[in-house]
Amino acid sequence: AQSVTQPDIHITVSEGASLELRCNYSYGATPYLFWYVQSPGQGLQLLLKYFSGDTLVQGIKGFEAEFKRSQSSFNLRKPSVHWSDAAEYFCAAYTGGFKTIFGAGTRLFVKA
Amino acid sequence: EAGVAQSPRYKIIEKRQSVAFWCNPISGHATLYWYQQILGQGPKLLIQFQNNGVVDDSQLPKDRFSAERLKGVDSTLKIQPAKLEDSAVYLCASSRGDGNEKLFFGSGTQLSVL
Repeated sequence: AQSVTQPDIHITVSEGASLELRCNYSYGATPYLFWYVQSPGQGLQLLLKYFSGDTLVQGIKGFEAEFKRSQSSFNLRKPSVHWSDAAEYFCAAYTGGFKTIFGAGTRLFVKA
Repeated sequence: EAGVAQSPRYKIIEKRQSVAFWCNPISGHATLYWYQQILGQGPKLLIQFQNNGVVDDSQLPKDRFSAERLKGVDSTLKIQPAKLEDSAVYLCASSRGDGNEKLFFGSGTQLSVL
């Protein structure tokens, strides 16, 4: 079955430290892949997306993600986290047929 | 451009009551989605429209949930009768529907069923 897995329910990092959020997908072909961020009480906002081509994609707010076909992964990274990055992050996969599947999310806590 | 509009922002009802949510997508977006997000979980697709036709409603509990998108623009999602487990945030999203499946989300309606 098609699925998106985010292994970490929550992660805590210190402000200024680097961040990596993990995402794995299960799908026969390479789906379109996305990372969304959700701040408390807000809808989801797209950070970046991968369709094809360069496997390292840049997004907004200094985020980047790397697609690794061999590992079926699409991990989100940021070199230096700011306190305003505290939010919930969702990985999603568009598997065709106009269907987008979301992972369960990873909540990021940032400590001073 | 204006974003996806949803109302109401919050709703509190008792179980067995009915409730309706409204969504106005971004102008020109052909595809409209209703997602249910239970606390601590990722969004789960309830129903997806392409223009005014249903593309996918496989996860919609049809005995109590219904949705329509008349004229292919705004949409309403109804629950009747509500159960305690329906407490969640209901998110509406839209996309151009041209294969570039970037979703634009509304702020959601937070439903509490008591």
